[in-house]
Amino acid sequence: DAGVIQSPRHEVTEMGQEVTLRCKPISGHNSLFWYRQTMMRGLELLIYFNNNVPIDDSGMPEDRFSAKMPNASFSTLKIQPSEPRDSAVYFCASSLGGLGGYGYTFGSGTRLTVV
Amino acid sequence: GQNIDQPTEMTATEGAIVQINCTYQTSGFNGLFWYQQHAGEAPTFLSYNVLDGLEEKGRFSSFLSRSKGYSYLLLKELQMKDSASYLCAALIKAAGNKLTFGGGTRVLVKP
Repeated sequence: DAGVIQSPRHEVTEMGQEVTLRCKPISGHNSLFWYRQTMMRGLELLIYFNNNVPIDDSGMPEDRFSAKMPNASFSTLKIQPSEPRDSAVYFCASSLGGLGGYGYTFGSGTRLTVV
Repeated sequence: GQNIDQPTEMTATEGAIVQINCTYQTSGFNGLFWYQQHAGEAPTFLSYNVLDGLEEKGRFSSFLSRSKGYSYLLLKELQMKDSASYLCAALIKAAGNKLTFGGGTRVLVKP
């Protein structure tokens, strides 16, 4: 299994530009999570999906952030327009709905720098 | 709200033992996870406790007391490669299950 695949690994963009982060979960996993990690705030849950349906987006910082999961094998997190304070590492993770004691499997993350 | 506390940093010597404590105050608590994260890498699963007691897995053990809202991760026979951040995470049963993470404890292992 290739694990959770995220792209790109690194993204540098100018303030005001649109940024799209991509994630392919592990095949068979029915839950997908987007996290953001910074030194100041640690790992924060932004949004998660169950069976492609958004369940809880209360962690999405503001309307500039949106996430979609059009099918079981793909999700995107979009920031439009981007701001310097959005600079962080964005992780995607997936799991079986019942977890079974194995928690989440994280992707390698996308390091976003907004200048 | 959800509150998970753990020390920011700990230092220990190679071959020694280190215990990382985690206290939590959450609603809908459904279990406690520990993850390891090396610098620049993704978190990886270490352990999961849902019942009170100790779970042992090689050099790593994790303990949970649900009544006290307390867990610890015990690392024995420390190796240099154990230098990493250790994240405590509470599983919250909401609509589905979601993991809420503490700030992480950075462990530095010295020779």
